[in-house]
Amino acid sequence: GESVGLHLPTLSVQEGDNSIINCAYSNSASDYFIWYKQESGKGPQFIIDIRSNMDKRQGQRVTVLLNKTVKHLSLQIAATQPGDSAVYFCAVTYSSASKIIFGSGTRLSIRP
Amino acid sequence: NAGVTQTPKFQVLKTGQSMTLQCAQDMNHEYMSWYRQDPGMGLRLIHYSVGAGITDQGEVPNGYNVSRSTTEDFPLRLLSAAPSQTSVYFCASSAPPGAPNYGYTFGSGTRLTVV
Repeated sequence: GESVGLHLPTLSVQEGDNSIINCAYSNSASDYFIWYKQESGKGPQFIIDIRSNMDKRQGQRVTVLLNKTVKHLSLQIAATQPGDSAVYFCAVTYSSASKIIFGSGTRLSIRP
Repeated sequence: NAGVTQTPKFQVLKTGQSMTLQCAQDMNHEYMSWYRQDPGMGLRLIHYSVGAGITDQGEVPNGYNVSRSTTEDFPLRLLSAAPSQTSVYFCASSAPPGAPNYGYTFGSGTRLTVV
C-alpha cells in the first residue's frame, strides 16, 4: 500500500524568508507527485507537480525537489508572503493508478 | 466557472438518518473521488470512480455508497449516519493519469455534523 508522511505538522517562518516543507513516501512504484495548498475553509488547490523522471521542477516562487533514492520530496517557497499561510499537502500516485493518496499536511504560518 | 460543485455546503444529521452529498463537474473528467478530512488529519479516500458505471473503494469506504451513472455526477450516500462520520467531505475530479492535466480539482467541501 501507500503511505505518505510529513516531517513536521507545523512550520513558522519569517515573512520574506524561504520555506521548505518536506514529505516522505513509501511506495517505490510511485511516479507522480503533487503539492496542494489548502486555505482555511476551502478545498485543496493544486500548486505544482513532478513526475519521477525529473528531480526538480520550478514554478512561480515554488520549487519541488524529488529524491527517489530516499523516497523524499520537498516544496520550497521563495520569499514567503502572508498569503502563503495555509496547510500544504503532498500527494502521490503511480501512472496506472486512479487514486491519489494524501499526506497529513503541514501548517505554514508566517511571522511578520 | 468550470469546476467541481458540491452541495450542500453544510448539513446537520441525526444519528441513523440517511442523506446524499451531491457532486458535479463540468470538465468532462473521467476520474472522480470522494475524500473526508477530519481535524488535524489529511484527506482520506472514501470511494473513487474511473468512469461512468465504474466505482471502487478507497481507504475508508465503510458506511458510504457511491454510484456513477453519468460522467458529470458522483453522489455520495450515507445510509445510516453515525457521529464518527462528522467530517468535511471533498469531491474531486481529474483527467486520467498520463493526461497533461492529470491531478485532482477539488470542490469547496461539505461540512457534515452528525448528532
